[in-house]
Amino acid sequence: AQTVTQSQPEMSVQEAETVTLSCTYDTSESDYYLFWYKQPPSRQMILVIRQEAYKQQNATENRFSVNFQKAAKSFSLKISDSQLGDAAMYFCAYRANFGNEKLTFGTGTRLTIIP
Amino acid sequence: DSGVTQTPKHLITATGQRVTLRCSPRSGDLSVYWYQQSLDQGLQFLIQYYNGEERAKGNILERFSAQQFPDLHSELNLSSLELGDSALYFCASSVGRGGYGYTFGSGTRLTVV
Repeated sequence: AQTVTQSQPEMSVQEAETVTLSCTYDTSESDYYLFWYKQPPSRQMILVIRQEAYKQQNATENRFSVNFQKAAKSFSLKISDSQLGDAAMYFCAYRANFGNEKLTFGTGTRLTIIP
Repeated sequence: DSGVTQTPKHLITATGQRVTLRCSPRSGDLSVYWYQQSLDQGLQFLIQYYNGEERAKGNILERFSAQQFPDLHSELNLSSLELGDSALYFCASSVGRGGYGYTFGSGTRLTVV
């Protein structure tokens, strides 16, 4: 079974600085998708960024980028120029490309932005 | 507004009761997924429907059931409620198999007292 591990329950960063959230996963599949979701206090789950496993190029969305290391099964999220609105729970998620289409989530990292 | 609508936003009910949670997917999305988010279990996949048919089942209790109607809205029925069923229940939708990510609704907060 696939598992997703986020080893940092909480992180904090100064406003305007850069922070990296870690995620590792375990799978025997070679074709899959990885996602980072943000859950602010409003509880809404918001897709931040996605990565297709067969693409070697790391995904980037404005201030958000990932470091995808397929062999190491690592998928970290880097947030540059942190803003107060980035404060939230961040969840890493995995989805196989074949078979069950469910998302498997990690336990989340609570990110605090220090003004 | 994500385009996925969940009602009600909050629900308080007593143990042993039955409730129905409703979800309208984003326009054009055929797949609906239900997730439960609790403090001790995190985000758990419950069930998926695709164009009216059940496609995948996760850790869904026998007391829970779901269906997707011809207009693609979905309902999650929770019966014989227990205190441990208190959680945030999310619905998500995707246009196909979800490779581009799912769009989540804002959730229904269920409190069982």
